[in-house]
Amino acid sequence: AQSVTQLGSHVSVSEGALVLLRCNYSSSVPPYLFWYVQYPNQGLQLLLKYTSAATLVKGINGFEAEFKKSETSFHLTKPSAHMSDAAEYFCAVSDGIYGQNFVFGPGTRLSVLP
Amino acid sequence: EADIYQTPRYLVIGTGKKITLECSQTMGHDKMYWYQQDPGMELHLIHYSYGVNSTEKGDLSSESTVSRIRTEHFPLTLESARPSHTSQYLCASRNDRNTEAFFGQGTRLTVV
Repeated sequence: AQSVTQLGSHVSVSEGALVLLRCNYSSSVPPYLFWYVQYPNQGLQLLLKYTSAATLVKGINGFEAEFKKSETSFHLTKPSAHMSDAAEYFCAVSDGIYGQNFVFGPGTRLSVLP
Repeated sequence: EADIYQTPRYLVIGTGKKITLECSQTMGHDKMYWYQQDPGMELHLIHYSYGVNSTEKGDLSSESTVSRIRTEHFPLTLESARPSHTSQYLCASRNDRNTEAFFGQGTRLTVV
């Protein structure tokens, strides 16, 4: 069975500072991994995904994530935070292209301070 | 851009009423999902479907029911709404060749 943990339910950074949101997973098969962003009263929007190609994945809005199999991690980073990045971020794992369901992490709320 | 729609976006309803939350997608996806999410909290899978006439209960016990008579439509029904059903409900879809799920905008339900 798959599972996802996200260290830190709430992360605060200053505008212009590095954003680092942590995600660790467990999976019995090679995983597909995802980061989603959710703004208030909205659905989830895909930021980026890892599907067994390049381990460094670039997404929308300047975000990127690196898949590290040895650490079972898929941390999300952005070099310089913007006020508009304030949102809830969810990491998710799927067990491959024929996987039936996603497993979501508990989410990390990102606050960006002026 | 993904085409998955949920209606209504917001609903306030009295205890004991029957309600149906609508979810439709125009992408021809086989897999569809319903998640329940309290504000600022994690997502809980309550129902899913792998295709027409396929429905399964998810990880979180729910008093709601779903149906999948057509590929594009996956409505969720509460026969008798209670205040404990107050939450946001998110619908998503996915197919065999794409790996990510596409989400609707959600329905925020308040039962008074």
